Amino acid sequence: AIRITQSPSSLSASTGDRVTITCRASQGISSYLAWYQQKPGKAPKLLIYAASTLQSGVPSRFSGSGSGTDFTLTISCLQSEDFATYYCQQYYSYPPETFGQGTKVEIK
Amino acid sequence: QVTLRESGPALVKPTQTLTLTCTFSGFSLSTSGMCVSWIRQPPGKALEWLALIDWDDDKYYSTSLKTRLTISKDTSKNQVVLTMTNMDPVDTATYYCARMPAAAGPFDPWGQGTLVTVSS
Repeated sequence: AIRITQSPSSLSASTGDRVTITCRASQGISSYLAWYQQKPGKAPKLLIYAASTLQSGVPSRFSGSGSGTDFTLTISCLQSEDFATYYCQQYYSYPPETFGQGTKVEIK
Repeated sequence: QVTLRESGPALVKPTQTLTLTCTFSGFSLSTSGMCVSWIRQPPGKALEWLALIDWDDDKYYSTSLKTRLTISKDTSKNQVVLTMTNMDPVDTATYYCARMPAAAGPFDPWGQGTLVTVSS
């Protein structure tokens, strides 16, 4: 099974900061990676798919990059509504059973 | 507009069988490539994929839970049902269903989730 290692598990940042979260796959997954945002008490929401394609309606301060085994989610200018937990997920394998462990973005 | 909604008991006793229903609208599970999955999240913990059923009625299960899970669909009712046997307190979690609109694609959207507590 493909394993995903997401880091860091948490980070503290201030509004306006640039934030980077990484995911590493145990084997190459091409660009079959998605990023989700989850706020407390809510379901995850798809932010980015195909490693770098922004889902409709997602602000352009979010961006994704990478292919193969190493991927990055960047929030260019952190806003108050961005404080949440972020998960990556690979869908190279079928079924797409692997999520990252999550990164909680907290207010500094 | 695509929506999914989970329903089922909020409380189950240890050793009981849990049955959850995902009722969806805005898409058909008969469409080629369409899939619905169940994912759960224990309080304060990460997401865990459980099961998937696709348009062709093929079914897939988490390796660690496969002996306890059964997924099925009723296309006419736009429902997907998950059963989990022999419930334990460690199975306490919010259970989500989510659409996967392509056989190689992300989950979008998700239902709101339903919290299931396992306790005597």
